[in-house]
Order: sequence, then structure tokens, then C-alpha cells
Amino acid sequence: AQSVTQLGSHVSVSEGALVLLRCNYSSSVPPYLFWYVQYPNQGLQLLLKYTSAATLVKGINGFEAEFKKSETSFHLTKPSAHMSDAAEYFCAVSDRPYGNNRLAFGKGNQVVVIP
Amino acid sequence: DTGVSQNPRHKITKRGQNVTFRCDPISEHNRLYWYRQTLGQGPEFLTYFQNEAQLEKSRLLSDRFSAERPKGSFSTLEIQRTEQGDSAMYLCASSPGGGVGTDTQYFGPGTRLTVL
Repeated sequence: AQSVTQLGSHVSVSEGALVLLRCNYSSSVPPYLFWYVQYPNQGLQLLLKYTSAATLVKGINGFEAEFKKSETSFHLTKPSAHMSDAAEYFCAVSDRPYGNNRLAFGKGNQVVVIP
Repeated sequence: DTGVSQNPRHKITKRGQNVTFRCDPISEHNRLYWYRQTLGQGPEFLTYFQNEAQLEKSRLLSDRFSAERPKGSFSTLEIQRTEQGDSAMYLCASSPGGGVGTDTQYFGPGTRLTVL
């Protein structure tokens, strides 16, 4: 089964500093990878997705992620953290490009932005 | 586009009672998913509909759980004889279909279930 691993449940970052959230995947086939963000009392919102096109993917709110097959990684970054980035972030993988596109999620990273 | 809606947003019930949740997907989305999210964990897949057909169920979906999507529009998730272990956030997502390159799942706000 496909899976992703996110280390460090809580991540603290100073306002204006680099945000780096790590995601490593396990997949026996070329994976499709996603990052979602969840604000309190809200559903998940897609930040960006990798679908075998460009390895550097740009998303919303200034986030980007780079797919590295050799490292089986899909880390999420943002150059300068903003207070509004405080939320929970989930990495997810799908191995099914057609039909049931079910997602397998990591445990998430709770990001705290320190003023 | 009003997004995916779920009702109720919160449900508190006593152990042994039955509960039903509703999900209204984005109009014309033919795929609908249910996930369950417990505290400190990421969402876990429960079941999937393509239009009105329920095509896959996770092993997490015990016999006490049933989901329907009549006419391929809204969906309901029913839990019979609730147990304290059923306490979780139940998330619904819909997508338009097509390949992964164009198919994105849009999530609703979830229904938080608390079983006393």
C-alpha cells in the first residue's frame, strides 16, 4: 500500500523565516503527491499537487514543493512565514490515476508561527 | 460553486444510538469520498462513490457503517449502535473525475462526532 511519512507533529517557525515541512513517500508505482492545509474548524484545502509533470510544483499562498525520486521525498517550503500560515498541513499520496483516486494521508504537521 | 457542505457540523450521541450524516458535494461532481479523521491523525479513507455506485469500501468500514448516494447527488453515512471508538471527524470530499492531473478532491468542513 502507498503511504507517506511526516515527521515532527508540531513545527514552530518565526514570522519571516523559512517554512520547511518534510514528507517522504513509499510507493511501488509512480506516485501522485499532494499537500493539503487545514485551518481550525474547516475542511482540507489543496495547496499543490505533483502529477508527474514538473518536479518543482508551485502552489497557493507562496508554497512550493519539490519531488525528488532519488530521496522519495516531496518536501513543502515557503521562503517567509506569515502569521496566517498557522494551520495543520497534510501530505498525501495516490497511486491510482483513474477511478477511485483515494488518498493516503500522513499524520500532519501543526505549524505555529511565532511573532 | 458553493463548495462541499456537511450536516450536522457537530453531533453528540450516547453509546448505542444510531447517527446519520449528510454530505452535499459540489454540483456535477461525480466522485464522492468519505474519510475519518481522529485526533492527531491524518484522514483515513472509508468509502468511494462513482455517481450512485459505491465502488470501494475500506476495511475500516465495519458492518455498523453504511453509506448511500441515491441518484448520484448527496450522500449519507449512517453509523448504527455507536461506540466510543467512533468518535472522530467525518470528512466528505468530491471531485469532478478524470485523471489525477485534472481530478482534485474538494473537502467539506466535516462532521465532528462525539460518542458518550
